Amino acid sequence: DTGVSQDPRHKITKRGQNVTFRCDPISEHNRLYWYRQTLGQGPEFLTYFQNEAQLEKSRLLSDRFSAERPKGSFSTLEIQRTEQGDSAMYLCASSGRDRGIETQYFGPGTRLLVL
Amino acid sequence: AQSVTQLGSHVSVSEGALVLLRCNYSSSVPPYLFWYVQYPNQGLQLLLKYTSAATLVKGINGFEAEFKKSETSFHLTKPSAHMSDAAEYFCAVSDPNGSEKLVFGKGMKLTVNP
Repeated sequence: DTGVSQDPRHKITKRGQNVTFRCDPISEHNRLYWYRQTLGQGPEFLTYFQNEAQLEKSRLLSDRFSAERPKGSFSTLEIQRTEQGDSAMYLCASSGRDRGIETQYFGPGTRLLVL
Repeated sequence: AQSVTQLGSHVSVSEGALVLLRCNYSSSVPPYLFWYVQYPNQGLQLLLKYTSAATLVKGINGFEAEFKKSETSFHLTKPSAHMSDAAEYFCAVSDPNGSEKLVFGKGMKLTVNP
């Protein structure tokens, strides 16, 4: 297994357009997380899945954001009617038990620029 | 609620010098603590984690961190900096009783001078 993958790596879009990002986790990991990272800041939690169930969403996840993990494998994050403030790096992580605790492994991220 | 403080945003050291990156946490329960490294335009790579098994934790690339409950700290150190250590370093805490989402500090950019 080569780790967590994300696609695309970069996305430039115009304000008002919809965008969708994909995350493929490490195959044996049940948990999947999405984070957003803006310039000069640490990643901030957006949402979390246990298998196909979305169990927690941050207040950062406005109505324009939706995430799915339909078969408990890959996940998608969609942003509708993008705004310039959505420009950020979107990071996906999957986690598995390592030495008794959940340990998150991150993908390379998708960098979004909204013009 | 959990939180992490990384004071300052930038540290500069000479190659071969000691690296010390500070992290203080706040947690209502015994925490799990992590250090991640991020190279430019890449995701985060796990350096090490505190699991309560030992207070001194050794990680990859020669880094280690010591958990001090009395000081609520988990500082990251490396005895001798290498040019390849130049990156941004993030300390994070997770709530072991919830979703185990990570709460990150703002990060510390490490520059290594030749």
